[in-house]
Amino acid sequence: EAQVTQNPRYLITVTGKKLTVTCSQNMNHEYMSWYRQDPGLGLRQIYYSMNVEVTDKGDVPEGYKVSRKEKRNFPLILESPSPNQTSLYFCASSPRGGLYGYTFGSGTRLTVV
Amino acid sequence: QKEVEQNSGPLSVPEGAIASLNCTYSDRGSQSFFWYRQYSGKSPELIMSIYSNGDKEDGRFTAQLNKASQYVSLLIRDSQPSDSATYLCAVNNAAGNKLTFGGGTRVLVKP
Repeated sequence: EAQVTQNPRYLITVTGKKLTVTCSQNMNHEYMSWYRQDPGLGLRQIYYSMNVEVTDKGDVPEGYKVSRKEKRNFPLILESPSPNQTSLYFCASSPRGGLYGYTFGSGTRLTVV
Repeated sequence: QKEVEQNSGPLSVPEGAIASLNCTYSDRGSQSFFWYRQYSGKSPELIMSIYSNGDKEDGRFTAQLNKASQYVSLLIRDSQPSDSATYLCAVNNAAGNKLTFGGGTRVLVKP
């Protein structure tokens, strides 16, 4: 089944404790992206990657890191999480940028206390 | 001005009626337009894509695009209670490297 898999689905952590949210897709898509979704603010792009070893900032990159060492994986790293990073996070992939729409993962609900 | 704007709703429609959703965008270079459906706590699901001016129909859904006026709309015919969700309009940027989403319109279909 073609899908984008995120883990974990739910995570509660403490301020300053490094964490990684994993994202993997099995569709051989070149493009991958991370979004966060907050009430009243909608979906906002954090980082995106057009291909392996090519990443760039989205609209809200502060406090996040990403890497794209393999085509299928695009982990999101929070080196020192803060409470304002409490949010619902989605990973998405596409054959080619925004031209063909995205397939979304199931989401990760992160709470930083 | 937001890049992609939608009325937040809620849009309340009786079962069997037509729900009409609108979206405006600011980037005249945009070439791809999408409608996603999102149930509470779930991920967005692509329901329609449209790339050229005019109408595109898929089952009970019709997307309409007018690039000159910079708006996209979605019609849901014969609305069902299962259509109750938030509908997100998404527009690609001219560079093609991201989708920008509107805030979503919440639709409530009442039996």
